Amino acid sequence: DVKVTQSSRYLVKRTGEKVFLECVQDMDHENMFWYRQDPGLGLRLIYFSYDVKMKEKGDIPEGYSVSREKKERFSLILESASTNQTSMYLCASSHGTSDSPLHFGNGTRLTVT
Amino acid sequence: GQNIDQPTEMTATEGAIVQINCTYQTSGFNGLFWYQQHAGEAPTFLSYNVLDGLEEKGRFSSFLSRSKGYSYLLLKELQMKDSASYLCVTYPGGATNKLIFGTGTLLAVQP
Repeated sequence: DVKVTQSSRYLVKRTGEKVFLECVQDMDHENMFWYRQDPGLGLRLIYFSYDVKMKEKGDIPEGYSVSREKKERFSLILESASTNQTSMYLCASSHGTSDSPLHFGNGTRLTVT
Repeated sequence: GQNIDQPTEMTATEGAIVQINCTYQTSGFNGLFWYQQHAGEAPTFLSYNVLDGLEEKGRFSSFLSRSKGYSYLLLKELQMKDSASYLCVTYPGGATNKLIFGTGTLLAVQP
């Protein structure tokens, strides 16, 4: 089974802090994604990557950056955390074919105070 | 534009059948996924339709009509563990699997 592991299940950070969310997958997937999920808004794509060192902006990239130095690892960085970034963050990976489903990690619930 | 519509909530009885509908308007279309998400957990893949028709997988079936921009997920012999949110997700196309997510239908299965 594909395993996507997110480093933290719960995080509490202060406004202005730099926050790192880590994600590792073990199935040699080409594509990796970061989403945030908020009530009533569904999943929204922040950034994605289809290869090492490649990254593409999703629908809501403002205030975030990403890093993919190795194929199995995709990091999401909040440069200066703000309260409106309090959310559930979900990492996902998939093969590079159109019918390849996403495999999600268990999520990180981030609270910014 | 991109738009996916599905009911916000549904309630059904254990042992019954329930159909969750999804309509979509997207600028491109290359397939439709259904995911299940239990409260506090990550979404998990249920089905993928790219051609018109019904795909059956155990108690779950998914139907697609591309001409109507319509899909449904059919759950038979409902169990309490089927209480979850069901996400309708379209794949507009392109090389990088960028998907469009609906907001989900929260299904409550009652005894």
